Amino acid sequence: EAQVTQNPRYLITVTGKKLTVTCSQNMNHEYMSWYRQDPGLGLRQIYYSMNVEVTDKGDVPEGYKVSRKEKRNFPLILESPSPNQTSLYFCASSLDRNNEKLFFGSGTQLSVL
Amino acid sequence: DQQVKQNSPSLSVQEGRISILNCDYTNSMFDYFLWYKKYPAEGPTFLISISSIKDKNEDGRFTVFLNKSAKHLSLHIVPSQPGDSAVYFCAALTGANNLFFGTGTRLTVIP
Repeated sequence: EAQVTQNPRYLITVTGKKLTVTCSQNMNHEYMSWYRQDPGLGLRQIYYSMNVEVTDKGDVPEGYKVSRKEKRNFPLILESPSPNQTSLYFCASSLDRNNEKLFFGSGTQLSVL
Repeated sequence: DQQVKQNSPSLSVQEGRISILNCDYTNSMFDYFLWYKKYPAEGPTFLISISSIKDKNEDGRFTVFLNKSAKHLSLHIVPSQPGDSAVYFCAALTGANNLFFGTGTRLTVIP
């Protein structure tokens, strides 16, 4: 089954404790991206990647890192999480840069205390 | 500043009637527009899209209209069904591959 898999689904952590949210897709997609969803703000892009070893900042990249060492994986790293990073995070992928038919993962609800 | 706006946080419609979801944008460089649908506890799923060179795109019960002069697009669902109850996000894409989402509209279709 074609899918984007994020883990974990829920995560509670404390300020400053490094964490990684994993994202994997099995569709051989070139394009992958991370979004956060916050009430009243919709979905905002954090980082995106056009292909292996190519990553770029989105709308709200501060406090986040990403890497794209393999085509299928695009982990999101929070080196020193802060409470304002409490949010619902979505990973997405698509075949190419046009973003049509983005496939989203089921989301990761992160709470930073 | 929000470049894509959905000014109605929620909308309720009777089953069988038309649902109209609206979206406004400010950036004239957007050249592609998309609608996504999101159920609770799931990620958004692609619904329909339209290129800026068109003014209408239809797919079954779903039609998207684009008015470039007004920087406005709308999604029409006819007839509305209870299974259409979800949050709908509009999104706009620039040539530089930046995708901007609106804040979403929660549609409730009443049986």
